[in-house]
Amino acid sequence: AQSVTQLGSHVSVSEGALVLLRCNYSSSVPPYLFWYVQYPNQGLQLLLKYTSAATLVKGINGFEAEFKKSETSFHLTKPSAHMSDAAEYFCAVSKPADSGGGADGLTFGKGTHLIIQP
Amino acid sequence: NAGVTQTPKFQVLKTGQSMTLQCAQDMNHEYMSWYRQDPGMGLRLIHYSVGAGITDQGEVPNGYNVSRSTTEDFPLRLLSAAPSQTSVYFCASSYGGGWDEKLFFGSGTQLSVL
Repeated sequence: AQSVTQLGSHVSVSEGALVLLRCNYSSSVPPYLFWYVQYPNQGLQLLLKYTSAATLVKGINGFEAEFKKSETSFHLTKPSAHMSDAAEYFCAVSKPADSGGGADGLTFGKGTHLIIQP
Repeated sequence: NAGVTQTPKFQVLKTGQSMTLQCAQDMNHEYMSWYRQDPGMGLRLIHYSVGAGITDQGEVPNGYNVSRSTTEDFPLRLLSAAPSQTSVYFCASSYGGGWDEKLFFGSGTQLSVL
């Protein structure tokens, strides 16, 4: 079974500071990994995804994430936070369909609420 | 460009009542799914469909029913609402259903069961 752990239910950073949101995964096979963002009163939007190509993945709005197999991590970063980045961020994991044993679907972490201090 | 449309946006039910949450997409996506979002729990998969006439259970299917008679629509039925079903419900779709594909989400239905 696959799982995702997001460290910190709330993260607060100052405007202009580095954003780091942590995600660790557990999977029996090399997984697909995703970061989704949810703005208030909206559905989720895909920020970026890793599907076994380059380990450093660039997404929308200046975010990027690095897949580190040895650390089973997929942390999300942005060099300089903007007020508009305040939202809920979800890390998610899925198993490639060709990895055998059937698909477990997309498993989401519990989310990290990013707060931007002016 | 409507994308994934959910109705209603808000609903209040009494325990034991039934209702249907509607979900429609206009992108000709094969895969559709329903998630519930609870505080501190993230999103959990209720049911999903990989095409018209095909549905399957997710992580938390009890108390919910689905059908997929057309590619566009994927309604979620609550047969006898319970307070434990108070949640925000999201419908999502993707083109081919591969687990590497981007999900498109609706804006959600906030359901309260009294």
